[in-house]
Amino acid sequence: DTGVSQDPRHKITKRGQNVTFRCDPISEHNRLYWYRQTLGQGPEFLTYFQNEAQLEKSRLLSDRFSAERPKGSFSTLEIQRTEQGDSAMYLCASSNPGSLEPQHFGDGTRLSIL
Amino acid sequence: GESVGLHLPTLSVQEGDNSIINCAYSNSASDYFIWYKQESGKGPQFIIDIRSNMDKRQGQRVTVLLNKTVKHLSLQIAATQPGDSAVYFCAENAGSYQLTFGKGTKLSVIP
Repeated sequence: DTGVSQDPRHKITKRGQNVTFRCDPISEHNRLYWYRQTLGQGPEFLTYFQNEAQLEKSRLLSDRFSAERPKGSFSTLEIQRTEQGDSAMYLCASSNPGSLEPQHFGDGTRLSIL
Repeated sequence: GESVGLHLPTLSVQEGDNSIINCAYSNSASDYFIWYKQESGKGPQFIIDIRSNMDKRQGQRVTVLLNKTVKHLSLQIAATQPGDSAVYFCAENAGSYQLTFGKGTKLSVIP
């Protein structure tokens, strides 16, 4: 399978803990995006990378959220000091460069905060 | 703010009938639109896209229509099958990196 891969698929943690999610994009795509989706809503953009450069991060929900893509391949999204409101599906997508290129999504990591 | 929205939150169709899912957008600067299908527990799956210089595009059993005059997008699914049951989202891109999604329409196919 050469689609976008996300790990883990599910994460359950206690409030206050830190969590990290991983995304492996489609190999030939140099753009990588993170979105968040809550129940009954469409995905909401968080941040994106072109190669290893994070070109937009102002939409990250708070300073507890951070993302990296150190070698321009896989990416990680970290949430520190999790809160119950962080419970959501975190989706990763990748694409070729350009605003007229489709973004292809992985199956997400579902985060549940106890 | 400007956003993408959908007229109908739920749609039930008989197997074999055609389905039409509608979407209204308000950002006149949007120049690229995508329809996604999302099944329970999975990520959005790309179905078809259309650029603003087109008014129609066809794929396998699906057609997207774009009416820029009234800022309206539709997805037509021919001969709807049970496997088409899912939530469908339209998304728009106004020349940037970010897709803006609506809330989605749930399509239920009655066998």
